[in-house]
Amino acid sequence: DAKTTQPNSMESNEEEPVHLPCNHSTISGTDYIHWYRQLPSQGPEYVIHGLTSNVNNRMASLAIAEDRKSSTLILHRATLRDAAVYYCIPTMNYGGSQGNLIFGKGTKLSVKP
Amino acid sequence: NAGVTQTPKFQVLKTGQSMTLQCAQDMNHNSMYWYRQDPGMGLRLIYYSASEGTTDKGEVPNGYNVSRLNKREFSLRLESAAPSQTSVYFCAIRRGAAYEQYFGPGTRLTVT
Repeated sequence: DAKTTQPNSMESNEEEPVHLPCNHSTISGTDYIHWYRQLPSQGPEYVIHGLTSNVNNRMASLAIAEDRKSSTLILHRATLRDAAVYYCIPTMNYGGSQGNLIFGKGTKLSVKP
Repeated sequence: NAGVTQTPKFQVLKTGQSMTLQCAQDMNHNSMYWYRQDPGMGLRLIYYSASEGTTDKGEVPNGYNVSRLNKREFSLRLESAAPSQTSVYFCAIRRGAAYEQYFGPGTRLTVT
């Protein structure tokens, strides 16, 4: 399993962009890069995933380095509701695998009004 | 929570008591998971089920049993609860083009 490194915590101001980095230098060439977040007292929530190209959805954008050894989750305008722990998780690109997610400690994002 | 329900939401047990945590999905997906999350930690896999009638151990299966009698439900049983099993338990399903997972709201279990 690929090992990930994320900052323990980050702070942002409301309505400003936030860039959450993740290093995954041992990622397999075929692994997806998934991002999840966990709001206080809730279950993890899927945010976005990518393979090689940058991706956008309604929640966030994902920028993937050309060598795939790092990625950045981008929240374009942070809100108070975005305060959560964000997890970067390389995931096997194989439906037949057990497919469990390996959670690290993630980055705790605080958003100031 | 994408149609994943868990019961109960909270439970307090005494050491040695037994209980079953229930998980149900309304989306007809094959893969289901049980994770536990201890305070300040990431989630760890307890058991996995690839389909009805099949289960596999995860990282921390000791002290637990599971049952997948049908496609919709995946239950987790503690036969003799111990204080070390105090945790928040999450059920999840796997779906989507990239096999992303969707989690239930969790069961907060305290064993005294």
